[in-house]
Amino acid sequence: ILNVEQSPQSLHVQEGDSTNFTCSFPSSNFYALHWYRWETAKSPEALFVMTLNGDEKKKGRISATLNTKEGYSYLYIKGSQPEDSATYLCASGSGGYNKLIFGAGTRLAVHP
Amino acid sequence: NAGVTQTPKFQVLKTGQSMTLQCAQDMNHEYMSWYRQDPGMGLRLIHYSVGAGITDQGEVPNGYNVSRSTTEDFPLRLLSAAPSQTSVYFCASKEEGTGELFFGEGSRLTVL
Repeated sequence: ILNVEQSPQSLHVQEGDSTNFTCSFPSSNFYALHWYRWETAKSPEALFVMTLNGDEKKKGRISATLNTKEGYSYLYIKGSQPEDSATYLCASGSGGYNKLIFGAGTRLAVHP
Repeated sequence: NAGVTQTPKFQVLKTGQSMTLQCAQDMNHEYMSWYRQDPGMGLRLIHYSVGAGITDQGEVPNGYNVSRSTTEDFPLRLLSAAPSQTSVYFCASKEEGTGELFFGEGSRLTVL
């Protein structure tokens, strides 16, 4: 069993704060690293799929970086808004191309 | 375009009963998978399929069966439900180009 670890487990920030989360994953046999956003009572939705070491992706105020050699990825949210409140999941394909293993998630609450 | 559709959304079973969770997708994705989500844990992969007639085990396959007779459908069967199978189940299909998973809305199962 391959462990994907996310930290922190939960986070409370004020509107306008910038924040970041960490995802650690096994660096051997790496295929891809996924980030998903999961709002309460909805389904997880893909934010980024990253495959290359040093990759950096951005979508609006959210960006992510990837270090496959040391096995970590950071997700950044700039100027957090209440609508950013959600659980952010990362998942690693280190278990094989068809076995995406998820971390337990970081629960973000943005307070007005 | 409905995406990934799961039924039922809620189900209560008694220990030992059997049931099937249905999953259908209309995006012509070859890859489909089933995950379970439990409090404090990430999504755990139960079974997956890379195409019609092909299935394989994930992290937690015991107590579950799957089949894939068509590209569109990927049902998950519980042959003899146990209280440990109380969970929220998510079906997901994968877009081959981006690698992104598309999730259904989830099925909440309670086994008494």
